[in-house]
Amino acid sequence: DSGVTQTPKHLITATGQRVTLRCSPRSGDLSVYWYQQSLDQGLQFLIQYYNGEERAKGNILERFSAQQFPDLHSELNLSSLELGDSALYFCASSVVIPGGSNEKLFFGSGTQLSVL
Amino acid sequence: AQSVTQLGSHVSVSEGALVLLRCNYSSSVPPYLFWYVQYPNQGLQLLLKYTSAATLVKGINGFEAEFKKSETSFHLTKPSAHMSDAAEYFCAVSERSGGGADGLTFGKGTHLIIQP
Repeated sequence: DSGVTQTPKHLITATGQRVTLRCSPRSGDLSVYWYQQSLDQGLQFLIQYYNGEERAKGNILERFSAQQFPDLHSELNLSSLELGDSALYFCASSVVIPGGSNEKLFFGSGTQLSVL
Repeated sequence: AQSVTQLGSHVSVSEGALVLLRCNYSSSVPPYLFWYVQYPNQGLQLLLKYTSAATLVKGINGFEAEFKKSETSFHLTKPSAHMSDAAEYFCAVSERSGGGADGLTFGKGTHLIIQP
């Protein structure tokens, strides 16, 4: 158990809908990262938050957004869903300041999103 | 821009045999390199990382990897495969000085199958 909690584990929805994925980082971790894992694209970095502020953006679509709350949990919002958004979405957290040489990521077990 | 190529989406070895998972990278600056493992229904876990201290890096579970600049490679090996090693393995590269996760680019993964 990594200590990173993601809910829900599975989500089935229809095209055009909006969903929210939730992530609780390990106790004490200030950084939260979101990744998308799909068969064709592999594992792609979406976005990172550090202590409530957006720190880095990867291949995140404009239809997607995220935020990190004062209690450090994070939510990833996916809207106007398309079939191609079906993927496994991972959240990860880390213990040290981003860019620190000893940074180690702890991944949650993911949310499997199926868009029908 | 940085990139990672993992040769072989599936690798099958017999229990007790040598495990060799190949990773080649492309980076415009000295890279920081990582291997992550993903067991079924779990998030990714860090196996090992190279940050220029030593070219041969030892990780968890008996795995090690050797950084070869001339070959732009960072292959993962284990002398004797165990059934519990069956998992998906990801190579990743970062150009940030601290190997920060926001700069991580992952390969598409190699599924390791262990034959009894």
